[in-house]
Amino acid sequence: AQSVTQLGSHVSVSEGALVLLRCNYSSSVPPYLFWYVQYPNQGLQLLLKYTTGATLVKGINGFEAEFKKSETSFHLTKPSAHMSDAAEYFCAVSKMDSSYKLIFGSGTRLLVRP
Amino acid sequence: NAGVTQTPKFQVLKTGQSMTLQCAQDMNHEYMSWYRQDPGMGLRLIHYSVGAGITDQGEVPNGYNVSRSTTEDFPLRLLSAAPSQTSVYFCASARIMTATSTDTQYFGPGTRLTVL
Repeated sequence: AQSVTQLGSHVSVSEGALVLLRCNYSSSVPPYLFWYVQYPNQGLQLLLKYTTGATLVKGINGFEAEFKKSETSFHLTKPSAHMSDAAEYFCAVSKMDSSYKLIFGSGTRLLVRP
Repeated sequence: NAGVTQTPKFQVLKTGQSMTLQCAQDMNHEYMSWYRQDPGMGLRLIHYSVGAGITDQGEVPNGYNVSRSTTEDFPLRLLSAAPSQTSVYFCASARIMTATSTDTQYFGPGTRLTVL
């Protein structure tokens, strides 16, 4: 069965510091992978996605993620955190069946210290 | 485009009451779905639809009904609300690309439901 594990329910960084949010997945088929961001009291917004092709994926707001098949990872990074990056981040994998279901990790809340 | 809209934003129910959460999209997407979000559990699929007249159960369907009479609308009905249904509910829609994949899934702003 496919699953997604996000290490760390809370991550705290200083403004200007590197952001690294970890995501590992299990999938029996080549996965489609996603990172979504949720700002307080809002819906989910797609940051970036990997389907096929280049393994380094660039998204919105300066975020990027690298698909590493050998490590079954899809970690999210940003070189320099801004206060506006404070939000909850969800990694997800597509189930790749006729339900089109997204399997989500439990989320990581990013805190940015001034 | 308004994207995916949901009403109401907030709702408080008493145990045993019924209600309908509304979801609409204006992107002509074939696929629509409902998720619930609970703390520490990510999002879990309740029901989904691949077109008008076609619905199916997701991971946690008990206590919920759906229908899809038009492409645009996908309401979620709580038949007899229970405290365990206290959650945040998200509707999503997407264009179907293949038999197993969609384009980006777009999420609505959510409905925060409390059942007393």
